[in-house]
Amino acid sequence: DGGITQSPKYLFRKEGQNVTLSCEQNLNHDAMYWYRQDPGQGLRLIYYSQIVNDFQKGDIAEGYSVSREKKESFPLTVTSAQKNPTAFYLCASSILGGKALTDTQYFGPGTRLTVL
Amino acid sequence: AQKITQTQPGMFVQEKEAVTLDCTYDTSDPSYGLFWYKQPSSGEMIFLIYQGSYDQQNATEGRYSLNFQKARKSANLVISASQLGDSAMYFCAITGAAGNKLTFGGGTRVLVKP
Repeated sequence: DGGITQSPKYLFRKEGQNVTLSCEQNLNHDAMYWYRQDPGQGLRLIYYSQIVNDFQKGDIAEGYSVSREKKESFPLTVTSAQKNPTAFYLCASSILGGKALTDTQYFGPGTRLTVL
Repeated sequence: AQKITQTQPGMFVQEKEAVTLDCTYDTSDPSYGLFWYKQPSSGEMIFLIYQGSYDQQNATEGRYSLNFQKARKSANLVISASQLGDSAMYFCAITGAAGNKLTFGGGTRVLVKP
């Protein structure tokens, strides 16, 4: 089955630690995205990548880093510089990388990060 | 900048009835796309329906339809014949010239009563 997987489902981190969230897709999509969702709110874009070895900052990139070494994988690192990292993180992918308005983003199941 | 406003934080609907979820948007892009997603309690965002700004007809997808009023900048989602499984958060989102970015509204929680 094609889809997007995120791991782990739940993640606990101590303050001051970096942590990496995994996102893998086997849909052969060019573009991948990371969003953050806070309780009772909509999603906000952290980073996106339209092609391997290239990525762009979204609206709230500070305190986060990404890499795109393979088409299938787009890991997100939450660094100690992120002031309030406790949130729900969603990864998405799209086939056209936003080159058309109809380009739909499909989402993974999410990772819930809690900083203790 | 683009903005989505969803003014209904929560709604109750009786099973088998229709429900309309409001979405208004603001954008300076001449072309844009509007999306609706469903987020059940499990957290995953499920794509429901898409409407392009130049589409002449309102989009439909099964029990979901869009009431698109371009002049009023609104793209309301209509769910017909509600089912218990429709209980979830619903988000409206917009993309524009920078088609790689989705801007989301704050969502509307729907609870279907048996």
